[in-house]
Amino acid sequence: GAVVSQHPSWVICKSGTSVKIECRSLDFQATTMFWYRQFPKQSLMLMATSNEGSKATYEQGVEKDKFLINHASLTLSTLTVTSAHPEDSSFYICSARRDRNTEAFFGQGTRLTVV
Amino acid sequence: QKEVEQNSGPLSVPEGAIASLNCTYSDRGSQSFFWYRQYSGKSPELIMSIYSNGDKEDGRFTAQLNKASQYVSLLIRDSQPSDSATYLCAIYSGAGSYQLTFGKGTKLSVIP
Repeated sequence: GAVVSQHPSWVICKSGTSVKIECRSLDFQATTMFWYRQFPKQSLMLMATSNEGSKATYEQGVEKDKFLINHASLTLSTLTVTSAHPEDSSFYICSARRDRNTEAFFGQGTRLTVV
Repeated sequence: QKEVEQNSGPLSVPEGAIASLNCTYSDRGSQSFFWYRQYSGKSPELIMSIYSNGDKEDGRFTAQLNKASQYVSLLIRDSQPSDSATYLCAIYSGAGSYQLTFGKGTKLSVIP
């Protein structure tokens, strides 16, 4: 399968600071990238969908001013958690796909802990 | 509301047995179907994709799709303890195939 790399794999930050997470498709061009959040023992929750060169589409209940998504190129999308708080601590996962109807491949995930 | 339903389990099978995982979906326009495996604390990993009715085999895994009945299943033959994980069904729905919808997953436990 194709390779999607996510960085960092874990991060600890202080409450009130911002954290940027990168998601790269290493061997293919991703027209669409998805960002998910997963709390312990719960299912994946889609946060937003981003297409290269356009604004991200956020799911209901996800604050777009708090979770900034940039999909500047066909191989890179970033998620910035602004003014992080302890309740933002979670496992954040990106996935990427070449085209509609094709498989989506996941990055390794980023475990964020806000203290 | 496009829905993907899975039995949350846990599904327990003895080592060497066949594990059968099922998924039903609500959107008749669905075209692409995927099974992902997620180990605890890790991100999902794609294990099978299926696009047309019938069976698709890959090693110990067989995906089965029945669009008329709106279900897709995953069979794991000769189950191993390393197969213990949560299995997620994912489906692209409708025209445009823009949104990938996941089920909540079935937790499989293979007992040595």
